[in-house]
Amino acid sequence: AQTVTQSQPEMSVQEAETVTLSCTYDTSENNYYLFWYKQPPSRQMILVIRQEAYKQQNATENRFSVNFQKAAKSFSLKISDSQLGDTAMYFCAFILPTGTASKLTFGTGTRLQVTL
Amino acid sequence: DAGVTQSPTHLIKTRGQQVTLRCSPKSGHDTVSWYQQALGQGPQFIFQYYEEEERQRGNFPDRFSGHQFPNYSSELNVNALLLGDSALYLCASSLGDRTGNEKLFFGSGTQLSVL
Repeated sequence: AQTVTQSQPEMSVQEAETVTLSCTYDTSENNYYLFWYKQPPSRQMILVIRQEAYKQQNATENRFSVNFQKAAKSFSLKISDSQLGDTAMYFCAFILPTGTASKLTFGTGTRLQVTL
Repeated sequence: DAGVTQSPTHLIKTRGQQVTLRCSPKSGHDTVSWYQQALGQGPQFIFQYYEEEERQRGNFPDRFSGHQFPNYSSELNVNALLLGDSALYLCASSLGDRTGNEKLFFGSGTQLSVL
């Protein structure tokens, strides 16, 4: 079974600074997808960034980028130029491209607080 | 274009009762998945519906059942409610291509409290 571990329950960063959220996962499969989701107080899960395991290049979406280390099974999220609107729970998630495509396995989340 | 809508937003029930939660997928989507998010935890997959059939199920008892209608909307039913069923129930829709690369759109959830 696949597992996702987020070892940082809470983090804080000042506005305009950079913060990195950690995620490790465990799987015996070689092909899979990794995601970071943001859950603000509105409770809606919003996709932040997606990485395909067979791609060596790290994914980037504006101020968000990942450091994907496949051998170490590590998938960290870097948020640059943090903004107050980035305050939210962040979940790392994993999916196998077999069978149903929607069966995400989530970590327990990291609560990020952006301060002035 | 409406996104994923869920109703109700909040619900309070007592132990032993039954509850029905509803989800309308994003326009154009044909697949609906349900997740349970307990307090302080990440969401856990309950099941997925495609073409009105349950396609895959997570580790949840038979008290949890669902349905998908011809218009792709879906219901989640929970019978014989337990205190441990208290959670945020999230619905996610997608256009099912089974590759793992499809983008999921989530609703804002239904907060269920069982007293």
